[in-house]
Amino acid sequence: DADVTQTPRNRITKTGKRIMLECSQTKGHDRMYWYRQDPGLGLRLIYYSFDVKDINKGEISDGYSVSRQAQAKFSLSLESAIPNQTALYFCATSDLSSGDTNTGELFFGEGSRLTVL
Amino acid sequence: GQNIDQPTEMTATEGAIVQINCTYQTSGFNGLFWYQQHAGEAPTFLSYNVLDGLEEKGRFSSFLSRSKGYSYLLLKELQMKDSASYLCAYMDSNYQLIWGAGTKLIIKP
Repeated sequence: DADVTQTPRNRITKTGKRIMLECSQTKGHDRMYWYRQDPGLGLRLIYYSFDVKDINKGEISDGYSVSRQAQAKFSLSLESAIPNQTALYFCATSDLSSGDTNTGELFFGEGSRLTVL
Repeated sequence: GQNIDQPTEMTATEGAIVQINCTYQTSGFNGLFWYQQHAGEAPTFLSYNVLDGLEEKGRFSSFLSRSKGYSYLLLKELQMKDSASYLCAYMDSNYQLIWGAGTKLIIKP
């Protein structure tokens, strides 16, 4: 089984619908991230969380919200989906913690492809 | 936009060597990462450099020059399975990764 699991893997929805993408991890990492990837633009950070009580906006948080229900779970919501939110979404975890020697390598889920019509 | 740059696409021949360059500008730096991403799949970690010099790992090597804001990924003995996008990212002073747009590498027989 994958260490970082995203559901659903593919979703087609209509403009205005509410969508939730879920992420769970078994790596025991505190830090979790949501990215979106668009052709030619690379990975862009939507939200990140350093622990259960910590939520931070990334560079493109408008139109999105997140919930960190537990150390292992981090969900991304689109309250009212619009077509330009069509993208490939990745959840990731990091082994970086303050004061340690880990590199901060990211471990990615398999991705959730969202199409908004 | 982000101040990190890498070529959009490169083509190389099976069995050959290819070098993918990455340049960046930042006031705070905590390391440079290279990831490989096959089409439609998740990025996977290839290398991490935080000090100047060359890190070799099998057929793949990564180089960093902090003073020049420059890194490269060197792939030797290219195989068809190396056809993928290669993502460069630096870690800034807040320990956030800033990503390049990726270099699509096409391997021809």
